[in-house]
Formats: sequence, structure tokens, C-alpha cells
Amino acid sequence: QQKVQQSPESLSVPEGGMASFNCTSSDRNFQYFWWYRQHSGEGPKALMSIFSDGDKKEGRFTAHLNKASLHVSLHIRDSQPSDSALYFCAAHRGSALGRLHFGAGTQLIVIP
Amino acid sequence: GGIITQTPKFLIGQEGQKLTLKCQQNFNHDTMYWYRQDSGKGLRLIYYSITENDLQKGDLSEGYDASREKKSSFSLTVTSAQKNEMAVFLCASSTLTYAEQFFGPGTRLTVL
Repeated sequence: QQKVQQSPESLSVPEGGMASFNCTSSDRNFQYFWWYRQHSGEGPKALMSIFSDGDKKEGRFTAHLNKASLHVSLHIRDSQPSDSALYFCAAHRGSALGRLHFGAGTQLIVIP
Repeated sequence: GGIITQTPKFLIGQEGQKLTLKCQQNFNHDTMYWYRQDSGKGLRLIYYSITENDLQKGDLSEGYDASREKKSSFSLTVTSAQKNEMAVFLCASSTLTYAEQFFGPGTRLTVL
């Protein structure tokens, strides 16, 4: 069973719009989350981590974590065509011996 | 900053052939990973190595071997290439298992 579920599978937003991604962990032990982004033909790159309840903002990107429901979201405001990519959520136990579990990803298309 | 180098960029082999993919990192990271990504889909962990003398199986280790030759290098061997494992193989490294992972550009495997 996949430990990290992402929705939607794909998303289209107009340039300048808000893109929102959802992620849920099925395992209560996984409470440390990362968001990664992968442009076509490249390896994924980390966008941000969120380990505490609440919001974390980095520029146009805001992540929100609710540990009680094991739900994390990512919001991109003022979306640009260069934001078009595959977005992954990943979760970790926080133990030095653990590993990241990646979700299946959400494909974002920003329409100019 | 640092870089992850994966060789070769493209690998073409015959069905049943043994094939080796190589990864080098100059971040001085302890932990290294091999992932497989089928076309436009999520990342599946094949093997990872927490420290230089360590090797851990991931979710997809059957049909693969891995070797951590030294701290900076991690190789993956496809023991008998099959047509259904044509994919992009991504190498990554991190300081700790829950820290940011840095990815290489990938090796695209084609099996004839």
C-alpha cells in the first residue's frame, strides 16, 4: 500500500492563478513532509520541507501541514508557465535510519 | 554547491543482458539513493546506502544489485534487463535520510 497519496493527478491553471496540491500520509509515523518539483527531462528538486503544524511560506509557495489529519498541501500563487512540472509530496518518519516515501505526483500545466 | 553525475545518460541493452549504471556526487553526502521512474510517473526506491559501508533494499530491489564503492560513488546493476523495465533511473544524495535529497539528471534505459 502506498504510504503517501497525492491529488489531483493533474491540474491546469491560467497564468497568474493559484495552483493547489494535496497530500495525505496513511501512516501516522510519517509526519515530516517535503515537496519536490520535476521539470521535464530533469531530476526532481526540493521546493520546501514542512515539519511543524501550520503554514510555511517561501516566496510564491505556501505549504500547510495538519499533523492530526496527516494532511499537507502546497499552494502556488501567481502561477507562471515555468511552474509547469510534476510535483511530488514525500514523507519521512524523522528517524536517521528511515527513508523518504514519495507520492505518485501531480502534473501541473500553467496556461499562458 | 555540488553536483551529481550519472553515467551513461542513455543506456541501450539487449533483453537478458547485465547492465551497470554509475553515480558520483561531490556534496560529501553520507546517504545515496537509486530510484526508478517509469514514464511520467512516481519515484520507486530501488536501493539506498545510509553510509559508505551500508546497503539497504528499497521497494523495488528484485532484479537489481547495488554497490557503494566509496562515499562519493554508488552503482546500480540491472542483473538481467527486461523490456518492462525501460525507465529513467535517478540517483540522489543527502546528508541525512530525512534531509533534502539532491538528484542527478538520470539515465534512460532502453531494452531491445
